[in-house]
Amino acid sequence: EDQVTQSPEALRLQEGESSSLNCSYTVSGLRGLFWYRQDPGKGPEFLFTLYSAGEEKEKERLKATLTKKESFLHITAPKPEDSATYLCAVQGTGGFKTIFGAGTRLFVKA
Amino acid sequence: DAMVIQNPRYQVTQFGKPVTLSCSQTLNHNVMYWYQQKSSQAPKLLFHYYDKDFNNEADTPDNFQSRRPNTSFCFLDIRSPGLGDAAMYLCATSRNGGDTQYFGPGTRLTVL
Repeated sequence: EDQVTQSPEALRLQEGESSSLNCSYTVSGLRGLFWYRQDPGKGPEFLFTLYSAGEEKEKERLKATLTKKESFLHITAPKPEDSATYLCAVQGTGGFKTIFGAGTRLFVKA
Repeated sequence: DAMVIQNPRYQVTQFGKPVTLSCSQTLNHNVMYWYQQKSSQAPKLLFHYYDKDFNNEADTPDNFQSRRPNTSFCFLDIRSPGLGDAAMYLCATSRNGGDTQYFGPGTRLTVL
């Protein structure tokens, strides 16, 4: 069964303190791995799509990497506005169903 | 800007009173999805449409149904809402199903 586990559940950082969020996944044939940002009471906002192991993508202070079993979202020198829940999701080659993790809630304090 | 729109943003209904949530898109995507998200939980896929083809997840209760009258619009009908159906309902679209999904702002459903 396809599964996504994110850790930690919550992460508190000081402004400027870099860290990484983990997404471990099990899927029968990976079609794509997705990272989203979700602010309270809003819909998920797309960040990255990764398709194959070794792939990396960057956007401002965020960098996503992918291996065959997990993905990391690296946050460099975070700012308070980076506070949000970060969701990881995978889609297998068996269909269109996308499995989401429960997310990591990130709090960045000024 | 091309986008996914959900109405209403907040919906309050009574136990057992039918409710319909609306989603529209200007992206001209082929696939539209409905997710249920409860507090601090992962979004859970209820069903999706690929064009007019409806695909229901095995564990989606019969109480939930959907309609897609045209490419732009999709509706979620909850026939007899229970207290456990209180959640955020998210609509998403993707071009062909095997690619990135773009989400609307969600509808927060409260059941009294």
